[in-house]
Amino acid sequence: DIVLTQSPATLSLSPGETTTLSCRASQSGSISLAWYQQKPGQAPRLLMYDASKRATGIPARFSGSGSGTDFTLTISGLEPEDFAIYYCQHRVNWPRYTFGQGTKLEMK
Amino acid sequence: EVQLVESGGGLVKPGGSLTLSCAASGFSFPTYTMDWVRQAPGKGLEWVSSISGGHTYIYYADSVKGRFTVHRDNANNVLYLQMNNLRAEDTAVYYCAKPSAIDELNFDYWGRGTLVTVSS
Repeated sequence: DIVLTQSPATLSLSPGETTTLSCRASQSGSISLAWYQQKPGQAPRLLMYDASKRATGIPARFSGSGSGTDFTLTISGLEPEDFAIYYCQHRVNWPRYTFGQGTKLEMK
Repeated sequence: EVQLVESGGGLVKPGGSLTLSCAASGFSFPTYTMDWVRQAPGKGLEWVSSISGGHTYIYYADSVKGRFTVHRDNANNVLYLQMNNLRAEDTAVYYCAKPSAIDELNFDYWGRGTLVTVSS
């Protein structure tokens, strides 16, 4: 199975800063990677799919990239509402969906 | 507008049973695969089960296989998860999630979840 490892586990940043979250796959494959944002007490929200495509209604400050085993989510100019937990996910291990363990983005 | 509303969670003793429901609206429910995803308190996301629109394909995570049963009522747009022989490690918020229509490789809509607590 292809496992996803996210880093770092926690990021402490201030509004206005730019950050990059990492998601690394344990082996290369035809990975269509998705990213989700989850705020406390809420369901996850789809941010990106196919590594670099923004989901409906997602602001342009969110961007994704990567292929093979290394994927990133960049948030340019953090807004207060962006502080949350971010998960990456793939479905290479069909039919199972596999999630990373998450990166918590907290306000400094 | 797509809406997914889970219900049926609660406190149950180890070895007990519970059935969760997810009422769907705003899309053609019978034509879409639907899934359950859970999240233990303070933990990450874990996929639980999938069921195709016509019941043709049903899949389970190894952690629940043989204990959980997914089914759906397409006439009333409701997804179910019957959970038997519950264990403490099944304690989680259970989300109903709709895979994306394009390729079912991710989830574009989620419900707000229902909490299941397994404890004596």
